[in-house]
Amino acid sequence: DQQVKQNSPSLSVQEGRISILNCDYTNSMFDYFLWYKKYPAEGPTFLISISSIKDKNEDGRFTVFLNKSAKHLSLHIVPSQPGDSAVYFCAASSLRYGGATNKLIFGTGTLLAVQP
Amino acid sequence: DTEVTQTPKHLVMGMTNKKSLKCEQHMGHRAMYWYKQKAKKPPELMFVYSYEKLSINESVPSRFSPECPNSSLLNLHLHALQPEDSALYLCASSQGLGSVFDTQYFGPGTRLTVL
Repeated sequence: DQQVKQNSPSLSVQEGRISILNCDYTNSMFDYFLWYKKYPAEGPTFLISISSIKDKNEDGRFTVFLNKSAKHLSLHIVPSQPGDSAVYFCAASSLRYGGATNKLIFGTGTLLAVQP
Repeated sequence: DTEVTQTPKHLVMGMTNKKSLKCEQHMGHRAMYWYKQKAKKPPELMFVYSYEKLSINESVPSRFSPECPNSSLLNLHLHALQPEDSALYLCASSQGLGSVFDTQYFGPGTRLTVL
């Protein structure tokens, strides 16, 4: 049962335009949502997060939006740059799910290609 | 500084070998994690250590044996692995204070090939 889903395996965007990556989840117990960026053969790099009590969090070119009623979150990158080309994973966690430590559930990832 | 280091970067081993993966962090984090990632798949949690005690084992086969000698170090001992265990092994750490908003930071991974 895939609790966190990224339905678009890939996305291609022109440099300077907006990239929108989407993520859906099914478990209403999730409290905290994160986006990670991953280059091949490297570990995921933390980008931005949002708690379930907020609907928006912004950090520079990156903004994450959370729609709890729709169980949907999205990552907006504006403006997109060629260096943003990577696989983006959304992840969700809940203390109630993992106990005293957080258990992250990852989506399947979206490969973003930013064309110069 | 959010650096997690892992050694070695690459490891090739036979099915009868014994080897170990090492992970280190100096951020004062009290939770450390091992993940396994196969190509084109998301990372899958294997083990979680909280305050140097094993708190989560995701039904991982006993040929993988984790160890947390102190709050900065995490090892994964490997013995009698199978070729299907070939993957990228990722270590992560987080503050582990029991907060919901506990961000995990990942190391670069060890690329393991089992022949």
